[in-house]
Amino acid sequence: NAGVTQTPKFQVLKTGQSMTLQCAQDMNHNSMYWYRQDPGMGLRLIYYSASEGTTDKGEVPNGYNVSRLNKREFSLRLESAAPSQTSVYFCACMGVNYGYTFGSGTRLTVV
Amino acid sequence: DQQVKQNSPSLSVQEGRISILNCDYTNSMFDYFLWYKKYPAEGPTFLISISSIKDKNEDGRFTVFLNKSAKHLSLHIVPSQPGDSAVYFCAASARNYGQNFVFGPGTRLSVLP
Repeated sequence: NAGVTQTPKFQVLKTGQSMTLQCAQDMNHNSMYWYRQDPGMGLRLIYYSASEGTTDKGEVPNGYNVSRLNKREFSLRLESAAPSQTSVYFCACMGVNYGYTFGSGTRLTVV
Repeated sequence: DQQVKQNSPSLSVQEGRISILNCDYTNSMFDYFLWYKKYPAEGPTFLISISSIKDKNEDGRFTVFLNKSAKHLSLHIVPSQPGDSAVYFCAASARNYGQNFVFGPGTRLSVLP
């Protein structure tokens, strides 16, 4: 029972390159989220999807796009990576008990 | 300006003693609160929650206390174990208003054997 699976686990990009972070959940939850974690800042919400077919901006959406491909999958895309996007990215889903289940994270470095 | 604050970046406690992690919030509309634990190279895992209609919730060694008038909550771990060493995040939401959770910056707990 994997819960939430994120790929890749590590990535190094050059400034200006693009990439997509993949996330899939097998918990049959409607809501999915992308967070970034930076030192001293906690977890900040980038985008979320309350249900299949809908996406909304969170606290820090600039420089990112998302796609809710189906109920299971929610991807995060960086079109032109910047050093300020160096961070650890977490995908999560949420069930009716309001508890998040997080993936293990993607450590992204933009040089 | 952070809506959820954890003013202690780190805390060290002796094994067997009580660990108290504090969290303060500024938004009086917050009505649901979560605590998460995070080990290095892993995603955060859910620990315990509390809604604003309660002032205490207990689950085994973990108890969360909520003081709405002070806009303050705390997580008590008794007794503390070395395996509790991790970063702890509190999160708050105005769920009745359909808002997402806001996370604090985290407190790193070290339980010393």
